[in-house]
Amino acid sequence: DIQLTQSPSSLSASVGDRVTITCRASQSIANYLNWLQQRPGRAPRVLIFATSSLEAEVPSRFSGDASGTDFTLTITSLQPEDFATYSCQQYYSLPYTFGQGTTVEIK
Amino acid sequence: EVQVVESGGDLVQPGGSLRLSCLISGVSIRSSWMTWVRQAPGKGLEWVANINEDETQKNYVASVKGRFTISRDNAKSSVFLQMSSLRGDDTALYYCARGGWLLEYWGQGTLVTVSP
Repeated sequence: DIQLTQSPSSLSASVGDRVTITCRASQSIANYLNWLQQRPGRAPRVLIFATSSLEAEVPSRFSGDASGTDFTLTITSLQPEDFATYSCQQYYSLPYTFGQGTTVEIK
Repeated sequence: EVQVVESGGDLVQPGGSLRLSCLISGVSIRSSWMTWVRQAPGKGLEWVANINEDETQKNYVASVKGRFTISRDNAKSSVFLQMSSLRGDDTALYYCARGGWLLEYWGQGTLVTVSP
């Protein structure tokens, strides 16, 4: 199975900060990676699919990129509603797997 | 408005069985893969199983293979997860989502607790 390792596991940031989360795949997965957001008590939702494509209605302050097997989710100018847990998910091969999640907390 | 509602979660003893249901409204599932994902307390998301449109393809994570069975009823916009030989590490919030590689719509989850 493909392992996805996210870093950091958690971070504290302030409103307006720029935040970058990394997801490293254990092997090449091309661009078959999504990013999901999960707010407390709410269902997860996809923010970015295929590494860098923004899902409908997702604010443009979210962006995704990749370099080899390292994928990044960047949030420019963090907003109060962005404090949540973010997970990456690969769909290159079954079983599809998720990273362990990165929790973004208020500083 | 799209709604995904899971049900059937409960407290069950090790070795027991449970059937989870997922009802989707506001969008058709006939042409979509459907997926179950779970989240153990304090842990990350874990992909469990998915099923294609006509039930000819079903995929499972290794830890549930042979114990869980995914199925669907397109006429009732429903997906099911039959779970048997349940173990403590199956304790989790179980989510249903529409999609295969892109999980577009999710429910709030149904809680399965496996404990003596």
